[in-house]
Amino acid sequence: EAGVAQSPRYKIIEKRQSVAFWCNPISGHATLYWYQQILGQGPKLLIQFQNNGVVDDSQLPKDRFSAERLKGVDSTLKIQPAKLEDSAVYLCASSLGLGGRTEAFFGQGTRLTVV
Amino acid sequence: ILNVEQSPQSLHVQEGDSTNFTCSFPSSNFYALHWYRWETAKSPEALFVMTLNGDEKKKGRISATLNTKEGYSYLYIKGSQPEDSATYLCASNYGQNFVFGPGTRLSVLP
Repeated sequence: EAGVAQSPRYKIIEKRQSVAFWCNPISGHATLYWYQQILGQGPKLLIQFQNNGVVDDSQLPKDRFSAERLKGVDSTLKIQPAKLEDSAVYLCASSLGLGGRTEAFFGQGTRLTVV
Repeated sequence: ILNVEQSPQSLHVQEGDSTNFTCSFPSSNFYALHWYRWETAKSPEALFVMTLNGDEKKKGRISATLNTKEGYSYLYIKGSQPEDSATYLCASNYGQNFVFGPGTRLSVLP
């Protein structure tokens, strides 16, 4: 079974620039998550999709972050414009079902450095 | 948003030592507790999903226990090996998703 694919693996940008991350979840997984993991902290949920609908985006900074999941499969997360504090690892995960008892499978993440 | 805590923040043990660390979470409205292992440059890997009070799960040399009444889970590693070096994350439920703790970074020295 292919895992969750993310790209790029690394990205360095200057502040105020834009950046986009891509995620391809495991085939058949209805739920897709984007997490932000800042050094020294646990992953923080940014947005959760069920198919192509948003379940939770309460912690997404909507003034600069946006995400979409077209056709309920691949997803992109965009930051525009980036700030220094956006430097983090951005993890995408997917799970078969909705709910906290379903195991989530993670991609390798995109490490973003904003200079 | 609930607060999930883990201790210690980091841990160094010698190869062959057994070790354990703690995940604390609010016991009210408990739904599930997840443990993940995150090795550098790899994806976080699910170890256990635990739901029942008193539950104990085991995978090889790693085991975990759950106390939902007092809001904690222990992860044990027996006979630590260098390949066990990783960050161990726990996550507890918040609505339909989970909140992660900050992790315990384990280094096993040969």
